[in-house]
Amino acid sequence: ILNVEQSPQSLHVQEGDSTNFTCSFPSSNFYALHWYRWETAKSPEALFVMTLNGDEKKKGRISATLNTKEGYSYLYIKGSQPEDSATYLCAFPGGNDYKLSFGAGTTVTVRA
Amino acid sequence: DAGVIQSPRHEVTEMGQEVTLRCKPISGHNSLFWYRQTMMRGLELLIYFNNNVPIDDSGMPEDRFSAKMPNASFSTLKIQPSEPRDSAVYFCASSYFPGELFFGEGSRLTVL
Repeated sequence: ILNVEQSPQSLHVQEGDSTNFTCSFPSSNFYALHWYRWETAKSPEALFVMTLNGDEKKKGRISATLNTKEGYSYLYIKGSQPEDSATYLCAFPGGNDYKLSFGAGTTVTVRA
Repeated sequence: DAGVIQSPRHEVTEMGQEVTLRCKPISGHNSLFWYRQTMMRGLELLIYFNNNVPIDDSGMPEDRFSAKMPNASFSTLKIQPSEPRDSAVYFCASSYFPGELFFGEGSRLTVL
């Protein structure tokens, strides 16, 4: 059974501040690590698919890093804005069959 | 492309009735996933197909749930008989293996 854990469960951030949070996953048999952004009343949307140890990806003010050897990924939001308020999910496909299981998410609330 | 299309968007039914949820994946995608969103478990994988073949249905809660993918452009998730605890939002997502998932808008099911 795969165990994808995200922490913290929730974050409150002041507008303009930067923040980061973690996704932990089994380090053995790594294939890929996905990050998704899920706004209230909408569907999850992909941010990044990361496959290489040491990978760093960026989309606007959001970036992510990957450490496959120790089994974690960080997501960073620089200069948070109210529109960044969402739940950020990571997902880990288990081996070759690509069973994509999601963590419980980190809910970010940016206060103006 | 119109994206992943799910129907119905909302379904209210009575306990014991059969419910069928439908999904049209993005053309060209070869993987299809059914997820259920609940307060307790977050985004829970029910079943996933690769090239129309069910690969893993271990997340299907019980025999009342069944899913089919008769061709590359259509999938159904059926609940028979439905129970109040099945009330949730059901998401369908598709991808071109091993890429990011594209989610439909979800089907909100309420079983009275």
